Amino acid sequence: AQSVTQLDSHVSVSEGTPVLLRCNYSSSYSPSLFWYVQHPNKGLQLLLKYTSAATLVKGINGFEAEFKKSETSFHLTKPSAHMSDAAEYFCVVSDYPPSGSARQLTFGSGTQLTVLP
Amino acid sequence: NAGVMQNPRHLVRRRGQEARLRCSPMKGHSHVYWYRQLPEEGLKFMVYLQKENIIDESGMPKERFSAEFPKEGPSILRIQQVVRGDSAAYFCASSQGQGVAKNIQYFGAGTRLSVL
Repeated sequence: AQSVTQLDSHVSVSEGTPVLLRCNYSSSYSPSLFWYVQHPNKGLQLLLKYTSAATLVKGINGFEAEFKKSETSFHLTKPSAHMSDAAEYFCVVSDYPPSGSARQLTFGSGTQLTVLP
Repeated sequence: NAGVMQNPRHLVRRRGQEARLRCSPMKGHSHVYWYRQLPEEGLKFMVYLQKENIIDESGMPKERFSAEFPKEGPSILRIQQVVRGDSAAYFCASSQGQGVAKNIQYFGAGTRLSVL
C-alpha cells in the first residue's frame, strides 16, 4: 500500500524568505515521488519528480526536494519565496510493484502556501 | 504541442441529469487517468484507461459512474443521475506509458461540476 502525509495544511512565509513544505510517505515498493502545484481554478503543474536517481531533485521555479529513505520524507524547499509561489502544493507517491506496472498516483491532502509582502 | 485538454471547464447540472466530461490526452499519450477533487481535499484516483480498455477502476463509485477511452476520440467520464455530492472538480491526466520513465502524468485544467 502507498500513502502520503503532508504535515502542514497551511504555510505562510514572507516574500524573500525560505519555503519548507513537509511530506512523509509510505510505500511497499520502490516509490516515485512528485510535487505538483495548483494555482486557483487551474490544473496541476508538475514541479519535480524523484524516480530513484539522485536523491536531491531540482525542479522548476527554483524549487527542490530531497528524498530521504531513512526518514521516509520528501520535503519541498525554495531558498527565497516569490509572491507568484502562492498556491496549493501536493506531494504525490506512486510505487512500482515487481510486476513492473505502476500504480495510480496517491495524493496528499495539500499544503496551501501564502506569501506575505 | 497542446497539453491535456478537458472540456467543458465548467458544467452545471440539475439533480437527476447526466454529466459527460471529456478529456483529450497529450499527443503521443495512450494512457488516461481520471481523478476527483472535493473541496478542501487532495485528488482521489478514480479510473485508469488505455485505448479501448479499462485497466483499473478501483476508485470509481460502483453506481452511476462510467468511463471509456475509445479507439478514436477523447476519453469520456459519464455520471448518470447526478446528485449534489457529485459536485467537484474532475481532473484528467495522461501519460506516455508504464514504467518509471514513461509514467509521468500530465494534468488538464479540470472540469468543475456543479449540481443544483
